[in-house]
Parts: sequence; structure tokens; C-alpha cells
Amino acid sequence: GEDVEQSLFLSVREGDSSVINCTYTDSSSTYLYWYKQEPGAGLQLLTYIFSNMDMKQDQRLTVLLNKKDKHLSLRIADTQTGDSAIYFCAENMRDTGRRALTFGSGTRLQVQP
Amino acid sequence: NAGVTQTPKFQVLKTGQSMTLQCAQDMNHNSMYWYRQDPGMGLRLIYYSASEGTTDKGEVPNGYNVSRLNKREFSLRLESAAPSQTSVYFCASSEWPSHNEQFFGPGTRLTVL
Repeated sequence: GEDVEQSLFLSVREGDSSVINCTYTDSSSTYLYWYKQEPGAGLQLLTYIFSNMDMKQDQRLTVLLNKKDKHLSLRIADTQTGDSAIYFCAENMRDTGRRALTFGSGTRLQVQP
Repeated sequence: NAGVTQTPKFQVLKTGQSMTLQCAQDMNHNSMYWYRQDPGMGLRLIYYSASEGTTDKGEVPNGYNVSRLNKREFSLRLESAAPSQTSVYFCASSEWPSHNEQFFGPGTRLTVL
């Protein structure tokens, strides 16, 4: 089947902006999510966007959604060393009545001081 | 609130042994999930429970069974562990239908020798 796809690795310098990209599979997905996983921890929801929106901003985070291309991006402004983590995009899984999530493989963000 | 708790944190089994992973949530959520996370991959859904008294298979259910003991607790059982089940297991819960933010436990790291 189709997968939610992300690039595996991104390295930026502290203070720069980071942009993490994702392509998803289901054009009828209602919500799309970005989760953050720090080493040895579970996943934490960073932000989500409803499918009728093009953009959502939340402090240093900006989510852009291109429904035509099924492309989702997460921009982190003024990236800090504490932002180093794995970032997962996710969409509602249709086969579960949209309850469960389908995750990408995650993008490891490394922030260099 | 403790959120989502999982026990144990770590476990080593021999091939053929059985064990049960425990999960509990104190947020009064109706839906609960079990995912596994393997290196370089996103989370994959094993089973989910849309509400108390119901359970359904996810993407990778083979070799597992689940029990939704009550609204708070959702356990995952490996009847005869195999090396392919070496993974990190995450339990999550959500208040469906809302925007379905899923809250994750800290994970159980399981090694099957």
C-alpha cells in the first residue's frame, strides 16, 4: 500500500529555520498531525491542522498544507538545540474509521550549536 | 494526572515465552491503541479499541491478542514470542471523535532472544 513519506534526516544550525516535509496518502484525511519524539520517550503531539486549512501558526511552528499535492510541511523558526528529536507526520487511518493514525517513518532533526 | 502509563518499561523474553503488556489511562478516553515502533520506521498499529467492549485488528495483528479490561485499561498479549516481535511498544489513547489527539505512553522496549 501507499506510505506516508518523510525524509530521514535534517541538520540545521541553532537559530536557523527548519523545514520538515511529508507527503501523505489519503486526500480525504480530515486531520493531519505532527508529533515529536525525544530519545527514549513516547510521542508528543506538536500541532495538527484541519484539512480545510492551508496554514496554521503556533508560536515558532508553522504548518503548511497543500491538499492538491498531498504535501504537509512543518517549519520551526529559530531552531534550538532542544528541538533535536524525531518528527513524525501522521494522518487518520481510514480502515479504522479514522480513529488510529498512519505515521511516516520520521525525520531526525539534528540542531548544531 | 498520570496520562498513559505502561508496564513494564523493559522486558527480555526467550522465543516461545508469553507475556502481557499493560496499559492504563486516566483521562477517561474512549479509544485506545497499541502500536509498535521498529528502527527507521514509523509506528504501526497492532490493535485498537474504539470503545469499552470492542477491539479491532490494525495493520500488524498477527502474533498478538488484546483485552480491553475496562475503560481505563487495554492490555497486549504475546502468546508465543518470536524474535520478529522485538520492538518498542507504545500504547495511546484518544477522545474520539474530537480532533483525535492521541496521548502516548512512554513505551515498553521488548527484546525476544
